[in-house]
Amino acid sequence: NAGVTQTPKFQVLKTGQSMTLQCAQDMNHNSMYWYRQDPGMGLRLIYYSASEGTTDKGEVPNGYNVSRLNKREFSLRLESAAPSQTSVYFCASSEARPNTEAFFGQGTRLTVV
Amino acid sequence: AQSVTQLDSQVPVFEEAPVELRCNYSSSVSVYLFWYVQYPNQGLQLLLKYLSGSTLVKGINGFEAEFNKSQTSFHLRKPSVHISDTAEYFCAVSDHSSYKLIFGSGTRLLVRP
Repeated sequence: NAGVTQTPKFQVLKTGQSMTLQCAQDMNHNSMYWYRQDPGMGLRLIYYSASEGTTDKGEVPNGYNVSRLNKREFSLRLESAAPSQTSVYFCASSEARPNTEAFFGQGTRLTVV
Repeated sequence: AQSVTQLDSQVPVFEEAPVELRCNYSSSVSVYLFWYVQYPNQGLQLLLKYLSGSTLVKGINGFEAEFNKSQTSFHLRKPSVHISDTAEYFCAVSDHSSYKLIFGSGTRLLVRP
């Protein structure tokens, strides 16, 4: 029972390079999320997907794109990485109800040099 | 829109002492409240949540939290901490029409022997 799986766990990019962070969940959840975690700022929502086929911007969407490939998978793409995108990225999933628990992946630690 | 304030960025405490981690929220509508814990190099996991009813909520690992509507607070407490409680703790809020979680900046609990 894997829960939420993120790949890769670590990545170093050069400024201007692109990459895609992958996320998959096996809990049959409708909703999926991408957060970034920075020291002293907690977790900030980048994008979310309420259900398969829909995506919406969160608090900090600039510089990112997402794809909800199917119910299981939700990817985050950095088209042209910048040092300000150095962060730890978390994917999460939940049922599409306001009072429900979100389940988190282990995180991807991204460094942009 | 909701917001969450965790006033203490770090709380050092000796083993077996009691601890309180403070959380205040701001919202113009009714909310659901959550506490998540993040152990080093891991994702977040749910400690407890307040949905409705009794204002004292009990969670895992001996933690509890009290919802105070008049003071818009949801402080987390534990009567006697262990070394293994060393982690970062996040307070989060969602409103009754949204499943997006808004997180506070986190409080690092450091338990010393």
